Amino acid sequence: AQTVTQSQPEMSVQEAETVTLSCTYDTSESDYYLFWYKQPPSRQMILVIRQEAYKQQNATENRFSVNFQKAAKSFSLKISDSQLGDAAMYFCAYRNPLSGTYKYIFGTGTRLKVLA
Amino acid sequence: SQTIHQWPATLVQPVGSPLSLECTVEGTSNPNLYWYRQAAGRGLQLLFYSVGIGQISSEVPQNLSASRPQDRQFILSSKKLLLSDSGFYLCAWRTWTGVNGNTIYFGEGSWLTVV
Repeated sequence: AQTVTQSQPEMSVQEAETVTLSCTYDTSESDYYLFWYKQPPSRQMILVIRQEAYKQQNATENRFSVNFQKAAKSFSLKISDSQLGDAAMYFCAYRNPLSGTYKYIFGTGTRLKVLA
Repeated sequence: SQTIHQWPATLVQPVGSPLSLECTVEGTSNPNLYWYRQAAGRGLQLLFYSVGIGQISSEVPQNLSASRPQDRQFILSSKKLLLSDSGFYLCAWRTWTGVNGNTIYFGEGSWLTVV
């Protein structure tokens, strides 16, 4: 069964510095999607970044980028120039489009604190 | 553009009372729809998903049910709430195509407290 693991329950970063959140997953598939979602105090889940497994190039969205290591089944999120508004829970998620189901599997989340 | 709305945002219900949370999606057709629950300090638990009108798949045996009476409407219900039903409920929909195909997007969420 596919699983998603976020081993860091909580992380802290100084404002303007860089932080990396870790995510590993377990799958026997070769084609799948990976996501990072942000959940601020408002609780609404917001898509941060998306990666397709068949693309070797790491996805980037402004200050957010991923380090996708397919062989290692690792999908970390790097936040550069951290801002106070980046403080939130971050969830890693996996989706296999060929699984015959429509499920997205989420990790347990990492709480990011940004220190002024 | 596509949008998703769910309501009510917050509700406090006594044990044994019924529940109805509603979710609607605009700007798309035939979306996959999902209900997730997030207990305090926990991750997301998939409750139900639907691939079409009247088609509901349940992931976890529970006190809740879901219905999809229209293509872009998804309802989460309970006949008699339990204390353990308290939590944050999120509706989501999945894109089929486009730059962000196969991505799910979430509604604003509903806080349910059962007292």
